[in-house]
Amino acid sequence: DIQMTQSPSSLSASVGDRVTITCRASQSISGFLNWYQQKPGKAPKLLIYTASTLQTGVPSRFSGDGSGTYFTLTIVGLQPDDFATYYCQQSYSAPPTFGGGTKVEIK
Amino acid sequence: EVQLVETGGGLIQPGGSLRLSCAASGFSVSDNYMSWVRQAPGKGLEWVSVIYSGGSTYYADSVKGRFTISRDISKNTLYLQMNSLRAEDTAVYYCARGLGSSWSLFDFWGQGTLVTVSS
Repeated sequence: DIQMTQSPSSLSASVGDRVTITCRASQSISGFLNWYQQKPGKAPKLLIYTASTLQTGVPSRFSGDGSGTYFTLTIVGLQPDDFATYYCQQSYSAPPTFGGGTKVEIK
Repeated sequence: EVQLVETGGGLIQPGGSLRLSCAASGFSVSDNYMSWVRQAPGKGLEWVSVIYSGGSTYYADSVKGRFTISRDISKNTLYLQMNSLRAEDTAVYYCARGLGSSWSLFDFWGQGTLVTVSS
């Protein structure tokens, strides 16, 4: 199975900050990397797929980049609604696997 | 509007069985890839099983031989039959739809149902 490693596991930030989360795959996954946002007690929500494609309805302050084994999720101008846990996930090969998550907290 | 509603979770003793349901609306489960994904309390996400639009099914190694995914087209509902349950199966179980031709890219999720395996 492909292992997905996210860093940091948590971070504190203020409204308006720029935040970057990284995700590394244990082997090349080309561009088959997806990002989800999850709030407490809620289901995950797809934000970005195939590394950089914004899902319909997702604000443009979110962006994704990367290929191969290294990927990033960036939020420019953090909003109160963005405080949540973010997961990366590879859809390159079965079984699909998720990173351990990055919790974005209010500073 | 696309909606997925899971039911059937609860407290079950080790070795017991439980069947989860996921009622879909706004689309047809038979025309899409449908998966179950679980999340143990305070932990990350783990894919469990998928049923393809053509009916093929696949499972994570951790549940193979114990869980069975199925669907009822007439009810537009997805199921997960869970047998020989273990403490490590305790989790919130989500059903999720695959996006387009990608079975492992999940664009819609239900709200989840909690399964607790404990004596």
